[in-house]
Amino acid sequence: DTEVTQTPKHLVMGMTNKKSLKCEQHMGHRAMYWYKQKAKKPPELMFVYSYEKLSINESVPSRFSPECPNSSLLNLHLHALQPEDSALYLCASSQAGTGAYITYEQYFGPGTRLTVT
Amino acid sequence: DQQVKQNSPSLSVQEGRISILNCDYTNSMFDYFLWYKKYPAEGPTFLISISSIKDKNEDGRFTVFLNKSAKHLSLHIVPSQPGDSAVYFCAASVNRDDKIIFGKGTRLHILP
Repeated sequence: DTEVTQTPKHLVMGMTNKKSLKCEQHMGHRAMYWYKQKAKKPPELMFVYSYEKLSINESVPSRFSPECPNSSLLNLHLHALQPEDSALYLCASSQAGTGAYITYEQYFGPGTRLTVT
Repeated sequence: DQQVKQNSPSLSVQEGRISILNCDYTNSMFDYFLWYKKYPAEGPTFLISISSIKDKNEDGRFTVFLNKSAKHLSLHIVPSQPGDSAVYFCAASVNRDDKIIFGKGTRLHILP
């Protein structure tokens, strides 16, 4: 199984709503990532979890709150978002490279298309 | 400041010919490079990678060449097929790090 799944595929939310994005992988990967991608732009890294601990936070606003309940699951909790947060949110996973002097390729999910109204 | 640059936003190539996608980088600390392919409404798919200790890596129709002195890499696809039409992202990382930096992408159109 080389699949990363993400739910929901599409999400429309108001600026006062609270919602969560979910990501799951069963490849035994110990690093998981959240990216944000705007139209015609490259994916921008938001967060990295390595061995279920937050290892990288790319100065993301606190209205985005990541959570890694276990090695297979990654959530992104959303609260009080702004219209400019509308984007494709991508989850990825890889074998953990931190400290191992090796970079592993990341496997991406299909993304959640988020629209903030 | 963009550390990974793909200066061609789009490229059109005849089916059966060679497609060459280029990528330049500025950070001399990068020592691992990857190419991803992305179809609309899907996440990026890993295609091929190369470590800085090599100057070439081949996988079927895909070959990546690395020129460290020029800080340049290229992806060759031969022969090009209609299913290769997609956006191709070049990415780079420093070993010891889970973070990879993406270029802006090049949209490849394979013409019949």
